[in-house]
Amino acid sequence: SQQGEEDPQALSIQEGENATMNCSYKTSINNLQWYRQNSGRGLVHLILIRSNEREKHSGRLRVTLDTSKKSSSLLITASRAADTASYFCATDAGGGADGLTFGKGTHLIIQP
Amino acid sequence: SQTIHQWPATLVQPVGSPLSLECTVEGTSNPNLYWYRQAAGRGLQLLFYSVGIGQISSEVPQNLSASRPQDRQFILSSKKLLLSDSGFYLCACTGGRTGELFFGEGSRLTVL
Repeated sequence: SQQGEEDPQALSIQEGENATMNCSYKTSINNLQWYRQNSGRGLVHLILIRSNEREKHSGRLRVTLDTSKKSSSLLITASRAADTASYFCATDAGGGADGLTFGKGTHLIIQP
Repeated sequence: SQTIHQWPATLVQPVGSPLSLECTVEGTSNPNLYWYRQAAGRGLQLLFYSVGIGQISSEVPQNLSASRPQDRQFILSSKKLLLSDSGFYLCACTGGRTGELFFGEGSRLTVL
């Protein structure tokens, strides 16, 4: 079953605006990761935040994690048309080699 | 860094026909390997993972099987395809010490 659930399912904004996507999960995690998928392509890892971290930055990306609420957010600042993609959160429960559990994703459209 | 090759990129197969999707990894040794399936507009479902040659773990009962004949080769197979096997299949491997996944470009399977 899906561990992460992204919200909203779809988001359309104007170029230059900030985009915020949220992720909720159900069980304890070791870390939470965000991935990006361009249409018809594989996923690309964006950023990882550990369970003992609250905020992390990478370029125009800012990720927050609230383990008490079992939620995370991904903020993309000063969006560009090239940011149009689907964004997925994935949780690592740290139980072994059985990979990550992905949500259904947020489809982000940046209007030029 | 790791590079994952998947083929074929696109496949259209009749119901009841066999399937073989291949995945090879470069740039790492003894990786954990994964097969995910992504249905249209959905998140990723983990199908199989492998921690070593000949070691396969299945996450869901299904019509598919996986094999790992070499350290950096992972194969997804079926003897008789069903309509429900249609989807986008992604191979992934672990990289680094933090558990992030590297993905191939995917294989899109349509069963008619």
